[in-house]
Amino acid sequence: AQSVSQHNHHVILSEAASLELGCNYSYGGTVNLFWYVQYPGQHLQLLLKYFSGDPLVKGIKGFEAEFIKSKFSFNLRKPSVQWSDTAEYFCAVTRFTGGGNKLTFGTGTQLKVEL
Amino acid sequence: DAGVIQSPRHEVTEMGQEVTLRCKPISGHDYLFWYRQTMMRGLELLIYFNNNVPIDDSGMPEDRFSAKMPNASFSTLKIQPSEPRDSAVYFCASSFGRSPLHFGNGTRLTVT
Repeated sequence: AQSVSQHNHHVILSEAASLELGCNYSYGGTVNLFWYVQYPGQHLQLLLKYFSGDPLVKGIKGFEAEFIKSKFSFNLRKPSVQWSDTAEYFCAVTRFTGGGNKLTFGTGTQLKVEL
Repeated sequence: DAGVIQSPRHEVTEMGQEVTLRCKPISGHDYLFWYRQTMMRGLELLIYFNNNVPIDDSGMPEDRFSAKMPNASFSTLKIQPSEPRDSAVYFCASSFGRSPLHFGNGTRLTVT
């Protein structure tokens, strides 16, 4: 069974610091990759996705992620975080199929940005 | 578009009672997913449907859990009887084909 590992469970940064959250997956075939964000008390929202093509994908709110196939990684980055980025971030993976995206989620990384 | 709509937002019930969670997916979406989120286990896929048909229910924890999708615009997740360990936030999500999932606001269930 495929699994998704997020190495950092809790991250605390000051505003304007750079962010990188790690994500590794175990499945060796073709995958679709996602990052979702969950703001306090809210539902999950899509930040960005990778299906194919350019391995560097850009999402909303200045986030980007790089797919490195050889490392089975899809790390999330943002050059300068803001207080409003405080949230929980989930990496998710699904196998490429002709059907829907049955997502397997990582355990999440809780990001706190301090003023 | 109203998004995925879940009800109720909060549910508090006593152990042994039946609980029914409801979900209205986004119109036109052909996939519907039920996830459970807890501190200990994170986000777990319970079951998903394609065109109202259950495709994979391997994540349903036990026979106390059941889910139905009688039509394209409505799904229920039922727990009978409920237990304190079922306390969690239950999310419904929908998608069209391979498009990303859209999540509802969740139902926070507390079983005392």
